[in-house]
Amino acid sequence: AQKITQTQPGMFVQEKEAVTLDCTYDTSDPSYGLFWYKQPSSGEMIFLIYQGSYDQQNATEGRYSLNFQKARKSANLVISASQLGDSAMYFCAMRGSGGSRLTFGEGTQLTVNP
Amino acid sequence: DGGITQSPKYLFRKEGQNVTLSCEQNLNHDAMYWYRQDPGQGLRLIYYSQIVNDFQKGDIAEGYSVSREKKESFPLTVTSAQKNPTAFYLCASSTSGGALEQFFGPGTRLTVL
Repeated sequence: AQKITQTQPGMFVQEKEAVTLDCTYDTSDPSYGLFWYKQPSSGEMIFLIYQGSYDQQNATEGRYSLNFQKARKSANLVISASQLGDSAMYFCAMRGSGGSRLTFGEGTQLTVNP
Repeated sequence: DGGITQSPKYLFRKEGQNVTLSCEQNLNHDAMYWYRQDPGQGLRLIYYSQIVNDFQKGDIAEGYSVSREKKESFPLTVTSAQKNPTAFYLCASSTSGGALEQFFGPGTRLTVL
C-alpha cells in the first residue's frame, strides 16, 4: 500500500518570501512518481511539478522546485518568491509502478500575506 | 481547446435518488478517473478506467457505478446506496502508463438534500 503524509494543515508566508511544503511518502514499489498539485478556492486541480524516483536531479518548474530526498522518503515542494496568487491548497501525490492511479495526501493550505 | 469538461458545476438531488455526473475529455487519453473530495480533505479514488470497456474499483467504490463505452466519456452514477454522497467530485484523465500527470476537470459539487 502507498501512503502520502502532509503534516502541515496550514502554512503562512509573506509575499516575496520562499516557503517549503512538506511531504513524506511510504511505498514498497522500486519505481514511483511524485506529483504536486495546486487547488485554488475554485476547486480545479493544477499540476505543478513531477519527480521520478530514479531522476538524478531535483525537478524544477519556474518558481517551483521539488526537494527530493529518497533515503528519507520526502518530496518537499519549495515555492520561491511567493505571490498572493499562490494562496491555495497544495496536494502531494504518488503513483506506484503498478499503474497510473494516484494516492493523495491530505493537503496543506497555504496563505500568502501581503 | 483540449481539456476535460464536467457538468453540471453544481447539482442538487433529493435523498434516495440516483444521479449521474458527466465527464468528457478530448485529450485522446486512454485512462480516466473519478475522485471524491470532502471539505478540508484530500482526494480519494472512486473508480478508474485504463481502457474502453474496462474499469476498476478504487478505494471508495461502494455506492457508485461507472461505465466506459467511449474513450472520451466516463460518467459516474451516485446511487441511493451511497450513504453520504454530498461532496465535490473531480474527474481526471491521463495517458496510460508513463510519467505524465493527470489532467483534471473543474469538478461537480453534489449536494443531497
